Amino acid sequence: SYELTQPPSVSVSPGQTASITCSGHKLGEKYVCWYQHKPGQSPVLIIYQDTKRPSGIPDRFSGSNSGNTATLTISGTQALDEADYYCHAWDVSAAVFGGGTKLTVL
Amino acid sequence: QVQLRQWGAGLLKPSETLSLTCEVYGGPFDGHYWTWIRQAPGKGLEWIGEINHSGSTNSKSSLKGRVSFSVDTSKNQFSLKLNSVTGADTAVYYCARGTAGGYGLDVWGQGTTVTVSS
Repeated sequence: SYELTQPPSVSVSPGQTASITCSGHKLGEKYVCWYQHKPGQSPVLIIYQDTKRPSGIPDRFSGSNSGNTATLTISGTQALDEADYYCHAWDVSAAVFGGGTKLTVL
Repeated sequence: QVQLRQWGAGLLKPSETLSLTCEVYGGPFDGHYWTWIRQAPGKGLEWIGEINHSGSTNSKSSLKGRVSFSVDTSKNQFSLKLNSVTGADTAVYYCARGTAGGYGLDVWGQGTTVTVSS
């Protein structure tokens, strides 16, 4: 079955740029979505079709996808961005989530 | 604004059947994939499977044989059943709306905590 690999944790200082990667075989040939998940809440879609932001998502969130790696970039990271982030893609007749990355804003 | 409301039994004994239902408010039922996701304690999100308005389904390969999905278009509801549950099925279960073509899961239910314990 298809697998997506994310780093377990990423740390960033307030105001700096955070990058979270998601790796999978020929991932650049698939659409990738990203979700933000805070404790006690339902996940929120923040990036779809690799690079697009749903309405209401701040433009400090951006995405890219090429080769075997998709990247979520958070520019000017704020304390409220501290959360778990998951990538998500579809393989043949099934979807898969990455293992998740805990973003800590120090 | 589309909303999903989900419900179902929160405490099960091993070998029982998990049953959850999700109702769609404020939006069309067709044209989407109605999806189930779970998160076990301390673990990440796990895609369980999906069903569309016509009843076409996809599911995680490791759950095939235990999982089934159904849809009631007259009530804008879709449901999940998972047979022969064990402690490994203890998780928060979410329903969500998906759209083919990489549009992602853009609307989520509030989540239901399901605990399997004897």
